[in-house]
Amino acid sequence: TQTVSQSDAHVTVFEGDSVELRCNYSYGGSIYLSWYIQHHGRGLQFLLKYYSGNPVVQGVNGFEAEFSKSDSSFHLRKASVHWSDSAVYFCAASIGGGSGNKLIFGTGTLLSVKP
Amino acid sequence: DPKIIQKPKYLVAVTGSEKILICEQYLGHNAMYWYRQSAKKPLEFMFSYSYQKLMDNQTASSRFQPQSSKKNHLDLQITALKPDDSATYFCASRQQGTNERLFFGHGTKLSVL
Repeated sequence: TQTVSQSDAHVTVFEGDSVELRCNYSYGGSIYLSWYIQHHGRGLQFLLKYYSGNPVVQGVNGFEAEFSKSDSSFHLRKASVHWSDSAVYFCAASIGGGSGNKLIFGTGTLLSVKP
Repeated sequence: DPKIIQKPKYLVAVTGSEKILICEQYLGHNAMYWYRQSAKKPLEFMFSYSYQKLMDNQTASSRFQPQSSKKNHLDLQITALKPDDSATYFCASRQQGTNERLFFGHGTKLSVL
């Protein structure tokens, strides 16, 4: 079975700070990883994904994530956050990258950006 | 995503009643999904459909029945509603066999009294 864990339920930073939101997964084989953002009262929106190749992937709005097989991690980062980045961030995984596979989501990390 | 329409946005029901949550997607996708999000549990996968056929079902209760009358529709019928069914139900879709990105609707917030 595959699992996705997000160890931080809530992260608070100030506008302009850098931030890293952590995601760890457990699966020994080929895995597809992604991050989604959910603003209050809205559906989830895709940020970025990794399946193979360059372990550092770029997403929208200045977000990037780095895949590490040795650490079983796919942490999300942003160099300088804006108040509008306040939202819940979900890490997600599916096995093999094949068609029809469901995405399993972590518990989410609420990012609060203070002015 | 505005091209995935979920109706209604808010729904209040009494215990024991039956409701249908509507989902239509206009992205031309052939795979559709239902997820549930509540205060008690994180975003939880429920069903996946591909070409109008059930692919995966992770919902233990048969009270939850997806219905696909058209290839871009995946409604969710819930019978014998319980207060624990209170949650926000998200419909999602993607093009099977491509880049795995899911597109989500805005959700239907169900409250069972």
